[in-house]
Amino acid sequence: QLQLQESGPGLVKPSETLSLTCTVSGGSISSSSYYWGWIRQPPGKGLEWIGSIYYSGSTYYNPSLKSRVTISVDTSKNQFSLKLSSVTAADTAVYYCARLYYYDSSGYLNWYFDLWGRGTLVTVSS
Amino acid sequence: DIQMTQSPSSLSASVGDRVTITCRASQSISSYLNWYQQKPGKAPKLLIYAASSLQSGVPSRFSGSGSGTDFTLTISSLQPEDFATYYCQQSYSTFSCTFGQGTKLEIK
Repeated sequence: QLQLQESGPGLVKPSETLSLTCTVSGGSISSSSYYWGWIRQPPGKGLEWIGSIYYSGSTYYNPSLKSRVTISVDTSKNQFSLKLSSVTAADTAVYYCARLYYYDSSGYLNWYFDLWGRGTLVTVSS
Repeated sequence: DIQMTQSPSSLSASVGDRVTITCRASQSISSYLNWYQQKPGKAPKLLIYAASSLQSGVPSRFSGSGSGTDFTLTISSLQPEDFATYYCQQSYSTFSCTFGQGTKLEIK
C-alpha cells in the first residue's frame, strides 16, 4: 500500500524559506503514469495547488507562486521536496503532498490526485 | 487561469436527502473535472474523475455529470458519513490545476 508522508519544520519565520519533504513508501517515485504534487490549505479555507513534478525533474508551478517555489525530486531516497521562499503569514497553511495519476483517454491527457499524505501544518510567525 | 466556482458555498440537508452541488468553469474544460471529499482534519479523497467516472471504492450513491463549463455532483441518498466539504478541480491544464472554493455539507 503506497503511502505519502510530509515532514519539515512546523514553524517558519517571516521572510525565510519554508522547506518540506514528502517521502513515498510502498512504491517507487519513478513509476511512469505518475506525477507528484504539493497542495496547501490555509486554516478554514480552500485548496490551492502549488506545483507538480515528474521523477525526471519536469515541473509545473502555480503562476501565482512560481517566483517563490522550487520543487525537486530525489529518486534515490524516494522523496520529493518543496521550497517556498520569502514567506509571510499568508503562507500559513496545511501542506499536503499527493500523487497525480495521468492517463491517455482517446488521445487526450486526463489526470487527478488519487493519493494524498496526511498533511502538515506550517505556521509563519516570528 | 481557469476559475472554478461552486454553488452553494454551504448546504444543510438531512440523512436520506438527494443533494446536488454545482461547479462552473470560467471556460470550457470538456470533461476534465474531478470531485473530492474532505472531512475535518483529513486529507481530501477522490470521489469522481473525468466528470462522471466513479473512483474505485466510492459508494454508488455518488455520481457526477456535466461537460464544457457546468458540472454537478449528486449524492442520491445522504448518509451520516457524507457530511463533509466537497471540492471540484479542473484538470484541463496539463498537470496544473485550480480548485473550486468548496461546498460545506452540513446536517440539518
